[in-house]
Amino acid sequence: GAVVSQHPSWVICKSGTSVKIECRSLDFQATTMFWYRQFPKQSLMLMATSNEGSKATYEQGVEKDKFLINHASLTLSTLTVTSAHPEDSSFYICSGVRLTYNEQFFGPGTRLTVL
Amino acid sequence: SQKIEQNSEALNIQEGKTATLTCNYTNYSPAYLQWYRQDPGRGPVFLLLIRENEKEKRKERLKVTFDTTLKQSLFHITASQPADSATYLCALDKGNQGGKLIFGQGTELSVKP
Repeated sequence: GAVVSQHPSWVICKSGTSVKIECRSLDFQATTMFWYRQFPKQSLMLMATSNEGSKATYEQGVEKDKFLINHASLTLSTLTVTSAHPEDSSFYICSGVRLTYNEQFFGPGTRLTVL
Repeated sequence: SQKIEQNSEALNIQEGKTATLTCNYTNYSPAYLQWYRQDPGRGPVFLLLIRENEKEKRKERLKVTFDTTLKQSLFHITASQPADSATYLCALDKGNQGGKLIFGQGTELSVKP
């Protein structure tokens, strides 16, 4: 099956700092990657769609200037949480879409804790 | 607006029994529906996809049904094992939006030995 990795797996930072999370598709090319956020005991909420070579599109209510997304290649997308605050603490998960199939392949997630 | 609901927050069953999880949706007609497994602190793992023109799909001990009239999908795990304990998520495509998915809140399954 297709594998997606995320780095780091967890990060703790001080309020006001920026944090970058990487999402890589290891054995397939993903022209589209999605970024989700999941709070405890809640479902995944789509934040944005990342397309290689173009600007990301954000879901309603997600601040694009706060959550910067870059999809530099067919195997790498990054999410930068700028000026993080405690309310940004969450589990961030990315997924890659393999063109041939409809199913998405999810990364293991990144636990962000902002103090 | 589109809404997905999964049955009861937690489901406890005995090992060997069949677990049945429900996913209901409203205000929508998805082209396909997916089921994922999520373990604590991990990302979802794809299990099965069923299309709107398919009534049933099977994979080993898993079976999914899709009733577009009732707007419901049922997910069955037969001969359940403690290792099946996890949260199961259903997800619908948002339709012609390049693979965007809407997820249900998940059902936590606990299989007791």
